[in-house]
Amino acid sequence: QSVLTQPPSASGTPGQRVTISCSGSSSNIGSNSVYWYQQLPGTAPKLLIHRNNQRPSGVPDRFSGSKSGTSASLAISGLRSEDEADYYCAAWDDSLSGVVFGGGTKLTVL
Amino acid sequence: EVELLESGGGLEQPGGSLRLSCAASGFSFSSYAMSWVRQAPGKGLEWVSGISGSGGSTYYADSVKGRFTISRDNSKNTLYLQMNSLRAEDTAVYFCAKEGWNYVGGMFDPWGQGTLVTVSS
Repeated sequence: QSVLTQPPSASGTPGQRVTISCSGSSSNIGSNSVYWYQQLPGTAPKLLIHRNNQRPSGVPDRFSGSKSGTSASLAISGLRSEDEADYYCAAWDDSLSGVVFGGGTKLTVL
Repeated sequence: EVELLESGGGLEQPGGSLRLSCAASGFSFSSYAMSWVRQAPGKGLEWVSGISGSGGSTYYADSVKGRFTISRDNSKNTLYLQMNSLRAEDTAVYFCAKEGWNYVGGMFDPWGQGTLVTVSS
């Protein structure tokens, strides 16, 4: 059971906009930055969003992040087949004194 | 270019020990915190342990506390994870990851390619 809660799956057709939610608590998302990672099949995870809504250089602006209270969301617009991957949210947890991850969301591009 | 290269994985019996290493290059190693994150076969990501740039602060997931020890040698630009009292549930690919600053916070960028640890008799 993950500390952060994500839907196990999401899907969309090419060109669509999809959102993936990440729910936490006051000790993690509510008081710390949220990070999003993309893991393509058979590869190491890659940082997609940092500090809630910031994109590292090289990440397309089709990817955006937001946070409100104890929840966060990742939005992908203009969905492309190469976006098919697992997506994870993460945050520092003050109560656990450690980093917590969501269980991951498998995105399928139909 | 930042590069992280893990090594030391393999097959170990329950109750045994392994030491993982992560050789870092392309950045000022001592200026950044580092973490280990693992992924069991077919499962999600689980943060294991983190260490500050100086090595003075260390953090552990409850699942490994008292069994695993994280350390770093800044003169060798290398991160370590000493794993003792291994259990079957420790079987996973172990990734090392560079933090975005000098404290552990969850901004992992980049990640190494991972090393597989299998605990089985």
